Amino acid sequence: GENVEQHPSTLSVQEGDSAVIKCTYSDSASNYFPWYKQELGKGPQLIIDIRSNVGEKKDQRIAVTLNKTAKHFSLHITETQPEDSAVYFCAARRGQGGSEKLVFGKGTKLTVNP
Amino acid sequence: EPEVTQTPSHQVTQMGQEVILRCVPISNHLYFYWYRQILGQKVEFLVSFYNNEISEKSEIFDDQFSVERPDGSNFTLKIRSTKLEDSAMYFCASGRSGYEQYFGPGTRLTVT
Repeated sequence: GENVEQHPSTLSVQEGDSAVIKCTYSDSASNYFPWYKQELGKGPQLIIDIRSNVGEKKDQRIAVTLNKTAKHFSLHITETQPEDSAVYFCAARRGQGGSEKLVFGKGTKLTVNP
Repeated sequence: EPEVTQTPSHQVTQMGQEVILRCVPISNHLYFYWYRQILGQKVEFLVSFYNNEISEKSEIFDDQFSVERPDGSNFTLKIRSTKLEDSAMYFCASGRSGYEQYFGPGTRLTVT
């Protein structure tokens, strides 16, 4: 089955710097890759996602890139702010008609220092 | 903005007892899911539900687990006879298309 690996497990940056979190997946049939942000005491919040027919997607300060050949995708946060501090999870799922389940990475704890 | 809600936020139960975790998905969503997260581990898929039936379940989702959508708004997860290893955070999620999944705040289940 699908396996998703996520790095790094912790990341500390200065306010205003960029942060990059990387994930690799094993199942070449996966074609949907969401990213979630989880703040303390809350559920995972969907912040951006990408499907396999595009290589990059951007939404204000966050962007996701996908390399299907290498089976990896990354989250980029620019101009980080203290409120970006949270645990970030990547996930993968198969295309329509395949498994609906999301397979998650272990998470990255991002700390943005003021 | 509509949100998935879950009750209770924290449930403490004794081993062997039955628990029901409740979720109210976003109102126009058609796909429903349960996941769990044991402390310090990955979020794990339990079950998906569409068109009033289970569409997929993981190996964790054994005969002790069941799901139900008793009315047009609630979606429940029942654990018949809880074990210590069922202690975890349980998340409900819902989606419109079968791709995007929106998570609730979770129920922390503690089995003693």
